[in-house]
Amino acid sequence: NAGVMQNPRHLVRRRGQEARLRCSPMKGHSHVYWYRQLPEEGLKFMVYLQKENIIDESGMPKERFSAEFPKEGPSILRIQQVVRGDSAAYFCASSPGRESEQYFGPGTRLTVT
Amino acid sequence: SQQGEEDPQALSIQEGENATMNCSYKTSINNLQWYRQNSGRGLVHLILIRSNEREKHSGRLRVTLDTSKKSSSLLITASRAADTASYFCAASGSSYKLIFGSGTRLLVRP
Repeated sequence: NAGVMQNPRHLVRRRGQEARLRCSPMKGHSHVYWYRQLPEEGLKFMVYLQKENIIDESGMPKERFSAEFPKEGPSILRIQQVVRGDSAAYFCASSPGRESEQYFGPGTRLTVT
Repeated sequence: SQQGEEDPQALSIQEGENATMNCSYKTSINNLQWYRQNSGRGLVHLILIRSNEREKHSGRLRVTLDTSKKSSSLLITASRAADTASYFCAASGSSYKLIFGSGTRLLVRP
């Protein structure tokens, strides 16, 4: 059973461009969470999704950020018009249920130049 | 509000010694999870303890939970150089999102 997959692992974007981060949950997991980590800090919750539904997006900036988890395919975190402050590691986690362990992917390190 | 604050922020011990890390949180939880992160890498799930549990073991790891004090501790016994990493606690409440602390950076000297 493959773990949580994220791609790309590293992404470099110029200011103003769009960044698309992908996450494929573990097989059998229908709950996906996105977190952001700044250097030397803990992870900060962004959004919680189930298939085709956003359950909780309280940690996501209101503008420029969006997330989806379609019926088919990976979950996508999209950042439009990136700024330098968006540079961070973005981690996706999945779980089989709401009260279960969350298993994390290797992360996507976004650098905005 | 931020939950899951770890203490100490950094810990340096000799191989073979035990390492204890503490975590405090602010509101009621359903469970508390501990993770390890090696530098520049993803998080590895270590152990989950539910709010109705007081203690849990997994190999060299022992986790305790005191809901009256809103605190948890992670004990790593007989530490090894390979245990060098950052350790995070993450509190899960009614919304089931994880609220992470800033972590404890553990260095195990060979």
